[in-house]
Amino acid sequence: QVHLVDSGGGLVKPGGSLRLSCEASGFTFTDYYMNWIRQAPGKGLEYLSYISQSGSDIIYADSVKGRFTISRDNAKNTVYLQMNSLRAEDTAVYYCAKTARLLDSWGRGTLVTVSS
Amino acid sequence: DVVMTQSPLSLPVTLGQPASISCRSSQTLVYSNGRIYLNWFQQRPGHSPRRLIYEVSNRDSGVPDRFSGSGSGTDFTLQISRVEAEDVGVYYCMQGTHWPFTFGGGTKVEIK
Repeated sequence: QVHLVDSGGGLVKPGGSLRLSCEASGFTFTDYYMNWIRQAPGKGLEYLSYISQSGSDIIYADSVKGRFTISRDNAKNTVYLQMNSLRAEDTAVYYCAKTARLLDSWGRGTLVTVSS
Repeated sequence: DVVMTQSPLSLPVTLGQPASISCRSSQTLVYSNGRIYLNWFQQRPGHSPRRLIYEVSNRDSGVPDRFSGSGSGTDFTLQISRVEAEDVGVYYCMQGTHWPFTFGGGTKVEIK
């Protein structure tokens, strides 16, 4: 059974940094692209980034390009999202999900609040 | 960017009655491999999204057969044949063909 555990969220000041983690289990991690999606409070879903199995194929939404970095550690079955230069509008629940384009399994999400 | 337009925004339904949600894309969604990456997700209150339908009409394992997806070109539909209380939540369509992948604004299904 696929299990994705998002963690690392919290309260951070504008301009600050945070690193989110998503630990995967129940499937062969190295066979799949992994993704990050976010949802601002009371709002819809925004697809932020994906990373290929080896890390050679990475893409970002314009809203986070140059500030966020996706990476993965296949030995730890974990995907990361390093978030720098955070803004109030980055406040959201951040979800990791399995399989680019298809998002067949999601984590429970981790809340990031950017506020002074 | 591809705009995904869902309607209606809110859908009050009587238990046991059918429901239909429309999703229109601003571009066709056929990828270079011939596949159409149009998916439907359900988000129950307080939960993360769950995929119901992938590539227009393929139902995920464990999803009740009262849920079905259809469509072609730029017009897609999610249908619930007989709404049950557990179907309350927000439904999103999503295209995974053209980057940035985009979601519809959501349709809130509630019981009358």
